[in-house]
Amino acid sequence: AQTVTQSQPEMSVQEAETVTLSCTYDTSENNYYLFWYKQPPSRQMILVIRQEAYKQQNATENRFSVNFQKAAKSFSLKISDSQLGDTAMYFCAFMKHSSNYQLIWGAGTKLIIKP
Amino acid sequence: EAGVAQSPRYKIIEKRQSVAFWCNPISGHATLYWYQQILGQGPKLLIQFQNNGVVDDSQLPKDRFSAERLKGVDSTLKIQPAKLEDSAVYLCASSPWASANTGELFFGEGSRLTVL
Repeated sequence: AQTVTQSQPEMSVQEAETVTLSCTYDTSENNYYLFWYKQPPSRQMILVIRQEAYKQQNATENRFSVNFQKAAKSFSLKISDSQLGDTAMYFCAFMKHSSNYQLIWGAGTKLIIKP
Repeated sequence: EAGVAQSPRYKIIEKRQSVAFWCNPISGHATLYWYQQILGQGPKLLIQFQNNGVVDDSQLPKDRFSAERLKGVDSTLKIQPAKLEDSAVYLCASSPWASANTGELFFGEGSRLTVL
């Protein structure tokens, strides 16, 4: 069975700093997807960034980028120039290629951006 | 485009009472999910619908939880009788089946249940 582990329950950084959130996963699959979702306080969860396992190039979305290490089964999220609006729970999630499109979720990391 | 709507946002009940949550997905989204999110944990899938059929309900405690999606649009999740451990946020999410393999789910704001 696949598992997703986020080892940092909470992190805090100053506004404008760069922060990296860690995620490791366990799978015997070769084709899969990895995701970072953001859940702001009292607001809905939204997709931040997605990585397809067959792609070697790390995904980027504006200030958000990932460091995908397939052999190490590691998938970290880097947030550059952090903003107050980045304060949220961040969840790492895994989806194997043929799984009825179901996500397996980590426990989340609470990120606080301080002014 | 309207997002996923959920109601009620908050509900407080006594144990052994019943409660129902409603979800209206984004128009045209064939796939609908109900998740349970306990404080400090990631979402746990309870049930997944494809149109009005159940794709997976293996983690739904069927002795007390039930869900339906009549006409393949709105969905209702019911708990009867509630237990203390059911205190959680119940998240509804939807996705269009044609692009479900992208893994992008669209979530509602959730319904927070407190069982006393």
